Amino acid sequence: GESVGLHLPTLSVQEGDNSIINCAYSNSASDYFIWYKQESGKGPQFIIDIRSNMDKRQGQRVTVLLNKTVKHLSLQIAATQPGDSAVYFCAENIGGTSYGKLTFGQGTILTVHP
Amino acid sequence: DAGVTQSPTHLIKTRGQQVTLRCSPKSGHDTVSWYQQALGQGPQFIFQYYEEEERQRGNFPDRFSGHQFPNYSSELNVNALLLGDSALYLCASSQRGVEETQYFGPGTRLLVL
Repeated sequence: GESVGLHLPTLSVQEGDNSIINCAYSNSASDYFIWYKQESGKGPQFIIDIRSNMDKRQGQRVTVLLNKTVKHLSLQIAATQPGDSAVYFCAENIGGTSYGKLTFGQGTILTVHP
Repeated sequence: DAGVTQSPTHLIKTRGQQVTLRCSPKSGHDTVSWYQQALGQGPQFIFQYYEEEERQRGNFPDRFSGHQFPNYSSELNVNALLLGDSALYLCASSQRGVEETQYFGPGTRLLVL
């Protein structure tokens, strides 16, 4: 069945460092991947997405890398700030999110120390 | 531009009761999805509504039902509440065929005693 999982449940970094959050997925049919940030008491906030026809996509201070060969997704955050502290989820979908469900992983807790 | 809104923010019910949660999608969005997020877990898909019909359903019992109104807002109903239904219920909206990203609301925290 479909599943998305994370290698590291917690990540602790110093302010200014770069952070890398990893995610593995098992469904080779997945063609759309999204990273969400969830702060305590709030709903998931969209960060960046990538389609399976791409292997890299950059946003503001964030980069998502997709390796379809090993079914691996990563989120890189440059110059991590205390405000980046949150739980980060990767999610996958088949056929585009408007047409169905997102399958989420367990999440990685990112803690940024000043 | 209004984002996704949900009501109420918190709710306490007892076992066996019924609950209705409400969601207003982001302006311009026509598709609403509902998720259940247990403490310490990722959200799990319940179902998705488009054009007032349930289009896809996750692995949830029939006690979970929903509705979408002509203005695209949606309700999630849960009957015969169980202790295990205690969770954060999230609504996400998107625009089919145009903006596929799902944007989430703040959620409704349900506690079943």
